[in-house]
Amino acid sequence: ETGVTQSPTHLIKTRGQQVTLRCSSQSGHNTVSWYQQALGQGPQFIFQYYREEENGRGNFPPRFSGLQFPNYSSELNVNALELDDSALYLCASSLADLGTLAEAFFGQGTRLTVV
Amino acid sequence: AQKITQTQPGMFVQEKEAVTLDCTYDTSDPSYGLFWYKQPSSGEMIFLIYQGSYDQQNATEGRYSLNFQKARKSANLVISASQLGDSAMYFCAMREDSNYQLIWGAGTKLIIKP
Repeated sequence: ETGVTQSPTHLIKTRGQQVTLRCSSQSGHNTVSWYQQALGQGPQFIFQYYREEENGRGNFPPRFSGLQFPNYSSELNVNALELDDSALYLCASSLADLGTLAEAFFGQGTRLTVV
Repeated sequence: AQKITQTQPGMFVQEKEAVTLDCTYDTSDPSYGLFWYKQPSSGEMIFLIYQGSYDQQNATEGRYSLNFQKARKSANLVISASQLGDSAMYFCAMREDSNYQLIWGAGTKLIIKP
C-alpha cells in the first residue's frame, strides 16, 4: 500500500457541474501528476505539478485545472463536466528533481461518473 | 504514432507457469525510463519494476524481471511462477527525460487459471 490517498473514491455528477478531486501525496514527495483513465484504456496524462508549479500538461482543455499546496497535496478541478469526463482519475506522487526519472506511486483513484 | 505498444489484449496462463507480457516502445530521446504497473480490479496502479535506458543489467524485483532489448525497443515483463493473485491488468509505461509525463500502453489483461 502506498502513502498516496485520493478522495472521494466515487463521485456522481451532472453534466455542466464542476468537480474537485483531492490527492494527498506520499510523505517527502514533491511532484504530483494526474491521469485520466477511461474504461478499458491506459491512463492519459493531464498535468504535473512540481513544487507548486505546473511543469507539464497533456492534451486536455483549460477546464481541467489544478493546484499543488505547500504540503505537496494537490487538487484537480474540472469545470463544465461532460459525459466523456466519466473515468477513473489517478493521482501519482514521486520524488523528482528536474531531469531525473523516478517511479511514481499511485493512489487508489477517484471514479467519476457524469450523468 | 503509438509510443507504447502492448500487443496482447488478454492472456490466460496456468498457475505456477511463467508468463511474458510484451511491450515495445518508440522514442528518439536517448534517456528514458520504462515502467511496469499492475492494476487489479480495485483500480490502484501498483508499481512493479523500472528499467532505465542506460542500465546495463535487466531489472529484477522478486518474481518480476524485465527483458530489456534496447536495439529492438522492447521491454517485456516476465513473471515467474505465476499465482492466482497475479490476475490483473498490466500496463507498460515510458517516461522520456525531456518530458515528465508517463506514456502508457493499452494494457494486457492477465488471468491466472488454477
